[in-house]
Amino acid sequence: KAGVTQTPRYLIKTRGQQVTLSCSPISGHRSVSWYQQTPGQGLQFLFEYFSETQRNKGNFPGRFSGRQFSNSRSEMNVSTLELGDSALYLCASSRDRGGDEQYFGPGTRLTVT
Amino acid sequence: AQSVTQPDIHITVSEGASLELRCNYSYGATPYLFWYVQSPGQGLQLLLKYFSGDTLVQGIKGFEAEFKRSQSSFNLRKPSVHWSDAAEYFCAVGSNAGNMLTFGGGTRLMVKP
Repeated sequence: KAGVTQTPRYLIKTRGQQVTLSCSPISGHRSVSWYQQTPGQGLQFLFEYFSETQRNKGNFPGRFSGRQFSNSRSEMNVSTLELGDSALYLCASSRDRGGDEQYFGPGTRLTVT
Repeated sequence: AQSVTQPDIHITVSEGASLELRCNYSYGATPYLFWYVQSPGQGLQLLLKYFSGDTLVQGIKGFEAEFKRSQSSFNLRKPSVHWSDAAEYFCAVGSNAGNMLTFGGGTRLMVKP
């Protein structure tokens, strides 16, 4: 079974631009969660989507948004990029109910200049 | 609010020696507890999970963890470390309210030959 895939793997953007990251979950998984990893703040939960609905949201500004499609693939968008948005963005998929094991993709490394 | 503390930022052990990584959590109800490992430039790999039942949980790669409710701890152990175990290890707590994890700050493991 294929694992979680994320595209692109690396991205360089300029302050003020916006960016869209994509995540394809493991086949049969309906929940997709997003995390931001930085050296200073560590791993922080962004949001979770389940059956095309946002089920949980972390403490991030409204510039961070996401969505999930009917095939469970998910995208996250960051608008008006700031230098502090430079991070590794990780996507994780789970079957459905809360507390399930989450399987992570390799991440997208975003650099904002 | 739930939280996770990993008291040791760095640990160095000799190859073949035993290993224990500490994790303390704060959570109101019965927690879902996880250990993940991350190699440089990679996503997170799930080592093991605990929710209920036997407090000693076996995972992949020869790792095990013990849940101690009285100490709010979930320490990860391995009887004999291999050079390939060098990586960063994260403890995380989740809930049945969805698939969102709160991570500890991580422990970087170095293995001496």
